[in-house]
Amino acid sequence: DTEVTQTPKHLVMGMTNKKSLKCEQHMGHRAMYWYKQKAKKPPELMFVYSYEKLSINESVPSRFSPECPNSSLLNLHLHALQPEDSALYLCASSEGRNTEAFFGQGTRLTVV
Amino acid sequence: GEDVEQSLFLSVREGDSSVINCTYTDSSSTYLYWYKQEPGAGLQLLTYIFSNMDMKQDQRLTVLLNKKDKHLSLRIADTQTGDSAIYFCAESMRNQGGKLIFGQGTELSVKP
Repeated sequence: DTEVTQTPKHLVMGMTNKKSLKCEQHMGHRAMYWYKQKAKKPPELMFVYSYEKLSINESVPSRFSPECPNSSLLNLHLHALQPEDSALYLCASSEGRNTEAFFGQGTRLTVV
Repeated sequence: GEDVEQSLFLSVREGDSSVINCTYTDSSSTYLYWYKQEPGAGLQLLTYIFSNMDMKQDQRLTVLLNKKDKHLSLRIADTQTGDSAIYFCAESMRNQGGKLIFGQGTELSVKP
């Protein structure tokens, strides 16, 4: 099983809303990642969690707040987003920080 | 510095071989990856190669690595219409906690 599951698949939210993206894996991976992908562009790293601790924050605005409740789950809390934050948000996991990463299908976020 | 480059488009006929090329700049990369992304979907890990290998073959896929020239290629034999997608090469940065640096992606179009 190399599955990373993301919910919801699609999300439309207003600029004053608070919402959360969820990611789950049951491969026993200890590193989990959030990437942001704009149309026709490559994914860009946002956050890395290693052993449930935030290890990398790529200078992401505070309106994006990650959380790792346990080794299988990764959340991304969203608040006061801007229309330019509309993108595909991809979660990934890997066994360690320098091993192959498996991606979920992503959440297509639209901010109106 | 971090830079991964790919050509943007490749068009082939069904049954031909496709070769997608990638160059990277960081010689400390540990793993180099090829991901496939179909429209509206997440990234599917196709294959990867460790930086001390020259070649890896997996069914219709052959990865060649020229470490001296920092050049990576993906050959798809007997290309099918279902192979039409965007292909990203990515390098894993040894000293950056598993961060993946992606190329711009090559859009492969397979014509019947």
